[in-house]
Amino acid sequence: DAKTTQPTSMDCAEGRAANLPCNHSTISGNEYVYWYRQIHSQGPQYIIHGLKNNETNEMASLIITEDRKSSTLILPHATLRDTAVYYCIVRVGSGYNKLIFGAGTRLAVHP
Amino acid sequence: NAGVTQTPKFRILKIGQSMTLQCAQDMNHNYMYWYRQDPGMGLKLIYYSVGAGITDKGEVPNGYNVSRSTTEDFPLRLELAAPSQTSVYFCASSYSDRLYHSNQPQHFGDGTRLSIL
Repeated sequence: DAKTTQPTSMDCAEGRAANLPCNHSTISGNEYVYWYRQIHSQGPQYIIHGLKNNETNEMASLIITEDRKSSTLILPHATLRDTAVYYCIVRVGSGYNKLIFGAGTRLAVHP
Repeated sequence: NAGVTQTPKFRILKIGQSMTLQCAQDMNHNYMYWYRQDPGMGLKLIYYSVGAGITDKGEVPNGYNVSRSTTEDFPLRLELAAPSQTSVYFCASSYSDRLYHSNQPQHFGDGTRLSIL
């Protein structure tokens, strides 16, 4: 599975969009980009995933560059409850569903 | 929906004791996983199972054992607890359709916080 690089921490004002970047320059053609987050000490929570097209769901949007070497998770209207560690993971979308968690980005949403 | 349920939530063990961490899911998922998370670190895979009766090692299996006798349950056993096993343990499950290579996300429990003194 390809390695990902994320900033260690980011800040965002409440109500503004939070844009979290992720580099995955060694991604293979059959590898998906997944985003999870972990709020305080809870279990990780799935947010969104995609292969090459941009994706949107009720939680967030995922923008993947055309060369697929990087992506951005967008939380359109961040709230205080979005304060968490966000993990960007790439993995093959078949069979054994192994996730490799790096250190992630610690997002702090402030009033 | 209960999702993935882990018990106990907290436990303190003495060195050399044994215990079983319980994990149950009610989503009829075929895949189940055990992870550990040390302070300030990401999750590391201990063991996983692709279905009842089938288990395999992850990145850090030493000191642990698992079994999968039913689809719903995936207990993790520590036989001789050591201080290095102090961690937060997360169980997760997912559905994978191996025929069509589905890539459904993993659902996690709330974790078991284990301290070994």
